[in-house]
Amino acid sequence: SAVISQKPSRDICQRGTSLTIQCQVDSQVTMMFWYRQQPGQSLTLIATANQGSEATYESGFVIDKFPISRPNLTFSTLTVSNMSPEDSSIYLCSESGSPYNEQFFGPGTRLTVL
Amino acid sequence: AQSVAQPEDQVNVAEGNPLTVKCTYSVSGNPYLFWYVQYPNRGLQFLLKYITGDNLVKGSYGFEAEFNKSQTSFHLKKPSALVSDSALYFCAVRDNTGGSTLGRLYFGRGTQLTVWP
Repeated sequence: SAVISQKPSRDICQRGTSLTIQCQVDSQVTMMFWYRQQPGQSLTLIATANQGSEATYESGFVIDKFPISRPNLTFSTLTVSNMSPEDSSIYLCSESGSPYNEQFFGPGTRLTVL
Repeated sequence: AQSVAQPEDQVNVAEGNPLTVKCTYSVSGNPYLFWYVQYPNRGLQFLLKYITGDNLVKGSYGFEAEFNKSQTSFHLKKPSALVSDSALYFCAVRDNTGGSTLGRLYFGRGTQLTVWP
């Protein structure tokens, strides 16, 4: 099973600033995913991150707001730019695994924007 | 398009009683179904999955789920609930249709399970 770590685990940020979240997987994976979980809500996919190509964003999410990097097969970053209080959420990364295996999630980054 | 519905926001059950958390799905193609649990201030933990084979699948912590194709359901069950089972439970279906979204999960809105002593 894959082990995924995220940094930071939590942060409190000021409006208008940006935060970069790191996601590290202990094995090489084809695709990584970034999800957002707003307070009391389910998980919403932000984007799919493929190594060597631009991330694919879901409706309602744009690259200028959530730029993603995927420099290799074990690492990805998500930046939350020009933050507002509405960005306060838990951000989770996950990996694709194989079509027959479960997907593993990082522990999440709890972001609070003041 | 793939989708999952969890019709109950909350399920309350007494310790020692059986519990059921409901999930129905809508998919194109064969369903790949999952249950995850989220404890307070923790990430998602995998409980069990249905890919193919027996309709009754067993998972972690004594949980099981029954796949019912005719009813398009995948309800999570446990014969005897524990207080420590209290958490937020998510049903999910995996996108296996190909393309740029291959492998992504579609989540239900979650069901808060409370087991009282």
